[in-house]
Amino acid sequence: NAGVTQTPKFQVLKTGQSMTLQCAQDMNHEYMSWYRQDPGMGLRLIHYSVGAGITDQGEVPNGYNVSRSTTEDFPLRLLSAAPSQTSVYFCASSYSGSGRYEQYFGPGTRLTVT
Amino acid sequence: RKEVEQDPGPFNVPEGATVAFNCTYSNSASQSFFWYRQDCRKEPKLLMSVYSSGNEDGRFTAQLNRASQYISLLIRDSKLSDSATYLCVVITGGGNKLTFGTGTQLKVEL
Repeated sequence: NAGVTQTPKFQVLKTGQSMTLQCAQDMNHEYMSWYRQDPGMGLRLIHYSVGAGITDQGEVPNGYNVSRSTTEDFPLRLLSAAPSQTSVYFCASSYSGSGRYEQYFGPGTRLTVT
Repeated sequence: RKEVEQDPGPFNVPEGATVAFNCTYSNSASQSFFWYRQDCRKEPKLLMSVYSSGNEDGRFTAQLNRASQYISLLIRDSKLSDSATYLCVVITGGGNKLTFGTGTQLKVEL
């Protein structure tokens, strides 16, 4: 099993550009989520999904869109990048129910917006 | 007040020392609690769950104090390999909401 994979590992964008961060898992997990991690702020939940076709907002959803057309994939779209979106982005997955509590994280995408 | 608060450290300790971290949470309805470990520039990984009666996993002991709304992590006989950031995680809202603390950095030195 590859676990949770994320691409790209690094990305530099100019303000106003759009892009999609990819996330895939091969563990058949129902629950998937996106976090951003900033110094002094901890991990903050952006969006999450409890299954294919179902998504919901987390703590900091503005400027980001998600969709979940398959169990395996959960891409995160930045609509119009801003410098405030410079961060490290982690995708995570877990089983539903009580198994949700062990989150398996991908290696992260380091994004810089200039 | 933040929902989950941790002392950022760093805690610099010699190898073999015992070190303890606390994490306080503000929502009394919080249901479940965990400690994650994050190595520098890596993803977080689950270290251990925290049970109401306290629990131990080798050199690591986790405790929960619901009355005072804090959890703790005790590491005995510290190893160089324990150097990392330790994140406290609190679950509320029916299990969909995981709130991470900002982490406590531990540096174990020779």
